[in-house]
Amino acid sequence: NAGVTQTPKFQVLKTGQSMTLQCAQDMNHEYMSWYRQDPGMGLRLIHYSVGAGITDQGEVPNGYNVSRSTTEDFPLRLLSAAPSQTSVYFCASSRLQGSSGNTIYFGEGSWLTVV
Amino acid sequence: DQQVKQNSPSLSVQEGRISILNCDYTNSMFDYFLWYKKYPAEGPTFLISISSIKDKNEDGRFTVFLNKSAKHLSLHIVPSQPGDSAVYFCAALFAGNTGKLIFGQGTTLQVKP
Repeated sequence: NAGVTQTPKFQVLKTGQSMTLQCAQDMNHEYMSWYRQDPGMGLRLIHYSVGAGITDQGEVPNGYNVSRSTTEDFPLRLLSAAPSQTSVYFCASSRLQGSSGNTIYFGEGSWLTVV
Repeated sequence: DQQVKQNSPSLSVQEGRISILNCDYTNSMFDYFLWYKKYPAEGPTFLISISSIKDKNEDGRFTVFLNKSAKHLSLHIVPSQPGDSAVYFCAALFAGNTGKLIFGQGTTLQVKP
């Protein structure tokens, strides 16, 4: 997981609170994305970005906002946390072209509990 | 609609034997297929991949087979080792959508000593 840093590692939120999960990479990757992992569901794509200033929705974007002001950072914002957003969140980055999977790097994960 | 499916939530094998993990997909437009390994409290790490134009790719103890007509791929681990115990995710990529992985549900492999 070298090169992709996620913070915080663990967080407990109350319903309705807002927070931001941080993701940073130092590999100058154009592509960054956020996934959530839930039991029996695998990893599902929330939002992704193909470069600074460009973001798009994935499979499960509702309740989350993202922005990409720099190449290095791709924060994920929960505007009003709900118990359904209790999950493990993974940030990933890769080159934009020519990736065959072995250059897609994941962070170590952020465990979020909403009570 | 689950485009990538791993129908076996868990698999248990004896050390030294073969582990076979299966994955099915529904979209014939997938360009690349990948296997990721995940330990608890860590992010997924890349294991092996295969292009849609091939039917086999081998890397040491790991071999991935692709059957396009059946929309099925499998990961073979021979011989299995206790350190292989982890969750294995099958994933797929569309051509030109680098990094936009579509994951299966995962299979938990336990290799018993």
